[in-house]
Amino acid sequence: EVQLVESGGHLEQSGGSLRLSCAASGFAFTKYPMSWVRQAPGKGLEWVASIAKGGSDTFYADSVKGRFTISGDNSKSILFLQMSSLRADDTALYFCAKNLAHLWLPDHWGQGALVIVSS
Amino acid sequence: DVRMTQSPSSVSASVGDRVTVTCRASQDISSALGWYQQKPGKAPKLLISDVSSLQSGVPSRFSGSGSGTDFTLTISSLQPEDFATYYCQQAHSFPLTFGGGTKVVIK
Repeated sequence: EVQLVESGGHLEQSGGSLRLSCAASGFAFTKYPMSWVRQAPGKGLEWVASIAKGGSDTFYADSVKGRFTISGDNSKSILFLQMSSLRADDTALYFCAKNLAHLWLPDHWGQGALVIVSS
Repeated sequence: DVRMTQSPSSVSASVGDRVTVTCRASQDISSALGWYQQKPGKAPKLLISDVSSLQSGVPSRFSGSGSGTDFTLTISSLQPEDFATYYCQQAHSFPLTFGGGTKVVIK
């Protein structure tokens, strides 16, 4: 069974940094692309960042480019999202997601990690 | 960027009704489209990939169609557990983009 468990979310001040982790199990972590998707309170889904299988390439939304970094520890099957220069509009529930092998569509999601940025 | 325009934003329906949600892409995305269902306080669930491929365990009352820029999610006979918010997402190019969502509420 695929499991994705996020951690690291909490209240942070504007301008601060935070690292989210996502522990993955139940599948071959290095064989699937992974993504972070966020959802601000009461709003829709917003793609944040993705990493190709094995970590060979990374992609970012313009809203986080230069501030967030997606990475993975293949030996431990953990996905990370390093967040810096946080802003109030980064406040959201951050979902870790495993994508389909052939398409950038998340087919398994974690329960989410809540990040609140206070201004 | 590919803009995904989803309509309607909300639909009121009864159990047994046929419900249709549409998603229009601002450019041709071929068949790189998925549909998600999200219930309050839960993570989204992938229902359909590649426009019309039903994911394992998803009831057959859900179906997807379309190609190029215009896509449709159909629920043939709405069940109580289907009241939720539905999103489309294009996977053709980065940045990946979602539609604004369609909330299906009880009439």
